Amino acid sequence: DQQVKQNSPSLSVQEGRISILNCDYTNSMFDYFLWYKKYPAEGPTFLISISSIKDKNEDGRFTVFLNKSAKHLSLHIVPSQPGDSAVYFCAASSGSGGSNYKLTFGKGTLLTVNP
Amino acid sequence: DVKVTQSSRYLVKRTGEKVFLECVQDMDHENMFWYRQDPGLGLRLIYFSYDVKMKEKGDIPEGYSVSREKKERFSLILESASTNQTSMYLCASSGRILDEQFFGPGTRLTVL
Repeated sequence: DQQVKQNSPSLSVQEGRISILNCDYTNSMFDYFLWYKKYPAEGPTFLISISSIKDKNEDGRFTVFLNKSAKHLSLHIVPSQPGDSAVYFCAASSGSGGSNYKLTFGKGTLLTVNP
Repeated sequence: DVKVTQSSRYLVKRTGEKVFLECVQDMDHENMFWYRQDPGLGLRLIYFSYDVKMKEKGDIPEGYSVSREKKERFSLILESASTNQTSMYLCASSGRILDEQFFGPGTRLTVL
């Protein structure tokens, strides 16, 4: 049972435009969400996170939106740059600060930003 | 600067061999994790450890075991490697409070 779903395996956008990556989850116990970025032959690197008490978190060109009622989050990248081309993983956890340290990852979306 | 290192970037082994993958972190993190990444399947958790000598099964533990004798080191063991264990293996660590995990560069394992 896939608890974190990234339904678009790939996304292609033009440089300078907005990239929107989507993620849905089914477990209502998830209260902390993260986005990771992964280049080929490297480990994932943390990008941005959001707690369930917020509906938006912004860090430079990256903004994550959380819609708890729809169990949906999205990552916006504005403006997109060729160096943003990578696989983006959505991840979720429950019991933040408690005993559950596990992250559940989606399958990833390959973003390609064309010059 | 935080660091998670893995013993090998690339490894080629034969079916039936015993394989050790080592991971070391220098952040004094309590939690350590082993994942495998396969095309179309994302990151799947194999095992994790929340303290020295403690371990818990993840989503796909079959065919794997782990060892954590020291806080900074977490080993993944393939007792008898099989071709379906050909994959990218990623180690990660996190602190007690934060859920952000820091990943190593990965080990590309090929089992022939």
